[in-house]
Amino acid sequence: QKEVEQNSGPLSVPEGAIASLNCTYSDRVSQSFFWYRQYSGKSPELIMSIYSNGDKEDGRFTAQLNKASQYVSLLIRDSQPSDSATYLCAVNMRQAGTALIFGKGTTLSVSS
Amino acid sequence: ETGVTQTPRHLVMGMTNKKSLKCEQHLGHNAMYWYKQSAKKPLELMFVYNFKEQTENNSVPSRFSPECPNSSHLFLHLHTLQPEDSALYLCASSQEVLQAEAFFGQGTRLTVV
Repeated sequence: QKEVEQNSGPLSVPEGAIASLNCTYSDRVSQSFFWYRQYSGKSPELIMSIYSNGDKEDGRFTAQLNKASQYVSLLIRDSQPSDSATYLCAVNMRQAGTALIFGKGTTLSVSS
Repeated sequence: ETGVTQTPRHLVMGMTNKKSLKCEQHLGHNAMYWYKQSAKKPLELMFVYNFKEQTENNSVPSRFSPECPNSSHLFLHLHTLQPEDSALYLCASSQEVLQAEAFFGQGTRLTVV
């Protein structure tokens, strides 16, 4: 069964705090992992990709991957109100054939 | 020109109508996708095209008919839809079908009345 699980939230953090978003996936042999941000009424926008175990940093964003635990996370440092959106975890699952499988998304609200 | 362009942005159609959604990508990608996004549900993969050839049909009802005349264009033909088909339909493209980031168009908001 091909599944990507996320806590739907909402996750509420104050401005300047660290927001931590989590995702688990079912396909042990998955190789590619992505985080998308989707503002209300807009299409998903790619913000991070990660392919190997460990951390990958890009500005205020850090993606963390643990393939043994089938777990990927996204940390947002110094959260801003403009970060308020739904964050979608996507996994390229071999079980799914060729395309990305998405979680339901976690809604993040950053209060000023 | 933006990377992935979808038209129309909004569409209202009756259950007996026939309409088509259009997607065009200017990124030189080889793979294109249709996704459906309904409220409170994850993005659902509908179709995958790789080098114009359909490689995946994710058990989509036949009232949805895709067409990919070339690697840059993708259509979704709609006929005799149901109200539960109302959703945001998103087109995406990627360089290849495996281990590649997908880039999305702005979507078509479809309402079936």
